[in-house]
Amino acid sequence: SQQGEEDPQALSIQEGENATMNCSYKTSINNLQWYRQNSGRGLVHLILIRSNEREKHSGRLRVTLDTSKKSSSLLITASRAADTASYFCARRETGANNLFFGTGTRLTVIP
Amino acid sequence: EAQVTQNPRYLITVTGKKLTVTCSQNMNHEYMSWYRQDPGLGLRQIYYSMNVEVTDKGDVPEGYKVSRKEKRNFPLILESPSPNQTSLYFCASSLTSGGGTQYFGPGTRLLVL
Repeated sequence: SQQGEEDPQALSIQEGENATMNCSYKTSINNLQWYRQNSGRGLVHLILIRSNEREKHSGRLRVTLDTSKKSSSLLITASRAADTASYFCARRETGANNLFFGTGTRLTVIP
Repeated sequence: EAQVTQNPRYLITVTGKKLTVTCSQNMNHEYMSWYRQDPGLGLRQIYYSMNVEVTDKGDVPEGYKVSRKEKRNFPLILESPSPNQTSLYFCASSLTSGGGTQYFGPGTRLLVL
């Protein structure tokens, strides 16, 4: 299976600004998830969006999914220094029982 | 507290010396998985288990073994480690299938000399 592509690979913003990360894939999916990883630590689940959903919100997080373009985006509004981390998208391909992870976006929020 | 634990957290070993990394979850999850994380390559799945005594290969299984004798435990075995297995390893679990939300352990950083 091919990994998803995340864009950008790295992103640096000022505290208070919004951060947008994108994820593209090539297959049909059942759901797409976003995870966060603080440096060298385990991944933490942020949000799951199903293939029949277009947008989901969780606190300052907003995820969109466009299955026609095979892409998803994660928006973090009003960023904080504590949001500094790597963010990964992971997709459940149709018919699969596993998640396939992208290579991640490294976000740095400057205080 | 619901969690996935891994041991050891850090390990330095030499080529060829068999080692085992343990993974345990206390959430009664059916699905468990091992990943390795390398710079620029993201997370790649090594092996997964859908339930007790049911295991299957992921994307990069060569050089690894697993077993699932109990629901809570899913050890990763490196029979003859090589330097290219130097990596950061994560165990994860999920309630049913692996396509749902996964809960990750804290990671095991392995260096093979």
